[in-house]
Amino acid sequence: NAGVTQTPKFQVLKTGQSMTLQCAQDMNHEYMSWYRQDPGMGLRLIHYSVGAGITDQGEVPNGYNVSRSTTEDFPLRLLSAAPSQTSVYFCASSPEGGTQYFGPGTRLTVL
Amino acid sequence: AQSVTQLGSHVSVSEGALVLLRCNYSSSVPPYLFWYVQYPNQGLQLLLKYTSAATLVKGINGFEAEFKKSETSFHLTKPSAHMSDAAEYFCAVGVGGYNKLIFGAGTRLAVHP
Repeated sequence: NAGVTQTPKFQVLKTGQSMTLQCAQDMNHEYMSWYRQDPGMGLRLIHYSVGAGITDQGEVPNGYNVSRSTTEDFPLRLLSAAPSQTSVYFCASSPEGGTQYFGPGTRLTVL
Repeated sequence: AQSVTQLGSHVSVSEGALVLLRCNYSSSVPPYLFWYVQYPNQGLQLLLKYTSAATLVKGINGFEAEFKKSETSFHLTKPSAHMSDAAEYFCAVGVGGYNKLIFGAGTRLAVHP
């Protein structure tokens, strides 16, 4: 049981490039979320999903897209990276009404 | 709208001293409240959660927190700090339950000999 896994662990992009941050969980959790962590601001919710095929926006969704085609996977896409998206990204999953489990994070730098 | 305020971005204590990390929340409905810990270069780990069953909540690693509705507070305490407690601690409130979390800015705890 690997829990919540995220790839890559580190990534450097140039402004305007696109990429996908991968997140997978093997706990059959319905709920999955993406957060970004910035110094002095805690974690902020980007997008979340309450089940396969269902997604919704969080606090800071601009510049990010998500989809949820399976229960296990919840990728986060940056279509045109900007320096303001330099951050550490965390994926989390939880059963309905249960505690969120966080992945190890992806550290993204946009130059 | 729900929000969380953590008082003190940095707290330093001596090993063996009391740890007190402060958290105040704003919520229009009975809240779900959480404390998470983040060790360097790792993800977040749940320390404890309040779900209205009891106002004093015990968590892992000897931490506990008390929900005080009148003060809208959920402060985290540990009677005796250990060097291994050095980490960043986040208070969070659940929006609509457990599954959407609003986090405070975090408090970095340093423990010195």
